[in-house]
Parts: sequence; structure tokens; C-alpha cells
Amino acid sequence: DVKVTQSSRYLVKRTGEKVFLECVQDMDHENMFWYRQDPGLGLRLIYFSYDVKMKEKGDIPEGYSVSREKKERFSLILESASTNQTSMYLCASSWGLRTLTQYFGPGTRLLVL
Amino acid sequence: TQLLEQSPQFLSIQEGENLTVYCNSSSVFSSLQWYRQEPGEGPVLLVTVVTGGEVKKLKRLTFQFGDARKDSSLHITAAQPGDTGLYLCAGFNNAGNMLTFGGGTRLMVKP
Repeated sequence: DVKVTQSSRYLVKRTGEKVFLECVQDMDHENMFWYRQDPGLGLRLIYFSYDVKMKEKGDIPEGYSVSREKKERFSLILESASTNQTSMYLCASSWGLRTLTQYFGPGTRLLVL
Repeated sequence: TQLLEQSPQFLSIQEGENLTVYCNSSSVFSSLQWYRQEPGEGPVLLVTVVTGGEVKKLKRLTFQFGDARKDSSLHITAAQPGDTGLYLCAGFNNAGNMLTFGGGTRLMVKP
């Protein structure tokens, strides 16, 4: 079974803190994605990566950065957390370009106070 | 940015009833997917439809992709409490590398 794990299920941070969200997949997938999920808005793509050290902006990259130093790991970084970044963050991975199935992790619920 | 609108946003029905969830856009998608998400979990793919007019069935769930590939529907027959969850539609852009998600339909099926 494909497994996508996220480092934390719940996080509470203060405004201005630097926040790292980690995602690891165990199926040698090429592509990895970070989404945020807010009620009524569905999932919105923040960044994605189709190879090590490669990254592409999604629909809402402002206030976020990413890092992919190893194929299996994709990190989302909030350089200076703000209250409007309180959300559920979901990581996903897929085999390669034009591969239609994305596998999601369980999500990290982040609260910024 | 391509947009997908889902309706209804919330649906509460009794066990045994039928329901339909709609996913609409003014944009054309190369393919469209439906996911179900349960509390505390990530979305899980139910189906992918690729061809305009395509109909796929998954037990009591029937998925249809519009002829023009701009809309889709999910029909559940004889809903059961186990169908409770958040249903999300998502469309792929023409490059096939980015998904756009709808806002979701939260379904509750009461026993």
C-alpha cells in the first residue's frame, strides 16, 4: 500500500514563528504536492514538485516556501506564520506527470495564535 | 484559474434515500476525479472520468462526466451511514499535472 505520512497531526504555533511541515512517501513517487483545506473552499494547491530540488508554484504560494532535497520528502515552510494560515494542510504524491492518482496523507491541522 | 463549484454544500438524508451531488465549471477539464474524505483523514480517490459523457459505477455510486467535460455528477442509490463524509470533485488541467478542487459536499446519512 502507498503510504504518505505527515510529521504532525496537530500543531499550535504563535504568529511570527517559523513552521516546518514534513511529508514523506514510501513509493518512490516523482510528484509531491502541498495543499491547504479550508471549509467551503476545498483543497487549494500551494506548491508542487515533480523532481528532487524542483518546485512549482500552485494557486496560493504567497507566505509559503518548500524544500525537496530527497525524493521521498517534501517540506512546507511558513517563514513567519500568520493567523490566516490557520488551516488543514494536506500532502499528496503521485507517480509521474499525467499520472492521475494522487495519494494523500492524513493532514496536519495547524492553529496559529 | 479554473473553478469548480459543487452543490449542495451540505446534505443530510435518511438511510435508504437517493441523492445526487453536482460539480460544475465554465472550464473544460482533461479529466475529472471524485474523492471521499472522512474526518481526520486525507481524501481517497473514488473514480476518474476521462471521456465526455462517460459513466462509471462503483457499487451504489454512479459517476457521470458531462459531454463537454465541464461538469460531473455523483449519484448515490440507497445511501447508507457508511457513505457519510466529505465528497470532493477535482479536475485536471490540460497539462495533467495540476488538480483544481471543488468546495466539497458534506453528506450525512442518518440510520
